[in-house]
Amino acid sequence: NAGVTQTPKFRILKIGQSMTLQCTQDMNHNYMYWYRQDPGMGLKLIYYSVGAGITDKGEVPNGYNVSRSTTEDFPLRLELAAPSQTSVYFCASKTGSSYEQYFGPGTRLTVT
Amino acid sequence: RKEVEQDPGPFNVPEGATVAFNCTYSNSASQSFFWYRQDCRKEPKLLMSVYSSGNEDGRFTAQLNRASQYISLLIRDSKLSDSATYLCVVNGRDDKIIFGKGTRLHILP
Repeated sequence: NAGVTQTPKFRILKIGQSMTLQCTQDMNHNYMYWYRQDPGMGLKLIYYSVGAGITDKGEVPNGYNVSRSTTEDFPLRLELAAPSQTSVYFCASKTGSSYEQYFGPGTRLTVT
Repeated sequence: RKEVEQDPGPFNVPEGATVAFNCTYSNSASQSFFWYRQDCRKEPKLLMSVYSSGNEDGRFTAQLNRASQYISLLIRDSKLSDSATYLCVVNGRDDKIIFGKGTRLHILP
């Protein structure tokens, strides 16, 4: 199993541009999450999904959108990128019967 | 009171020493507790689950104190490779997963 994969690894965006961060898991996990982590700070939950077709807001959803059309994929969309969205973005997944999360390697995004 | 609180550190500890840090949680109904390790610029990875009876994995021991609502992590005979940030994770209200901000540990040669 590849686990949780994220693309791209790095990206530089100009203010106002948009992009999609990809996240795929091959463990058949129902639950998937998007977090952001600013330098020296903890993880903040952006959006999560408990299954295909179901998404919900986390702590910091403004400026982001998600979709969950399949169990495997949970893309995160940034519209109108702002410097405040410069961060490392982690995708994670878990089964419905455990609280243990498996994380992807992260996407480092810089908005200038 | 924050849902999960950790001393951010850093803890600077000489190699070979024993170090311990705690994490307090506010929801008395929490049932699942974990310690994750995060290396610099990497993703968090599960270090160990924390069971009611406590558990040990090599040099690492995790314990739960329900009465005082905290979990602890003890590292014995610390190695340079133990340098990392240790994240406390607790299940919160409405089944949410709450991450602490982490405790930074530096093992000094």
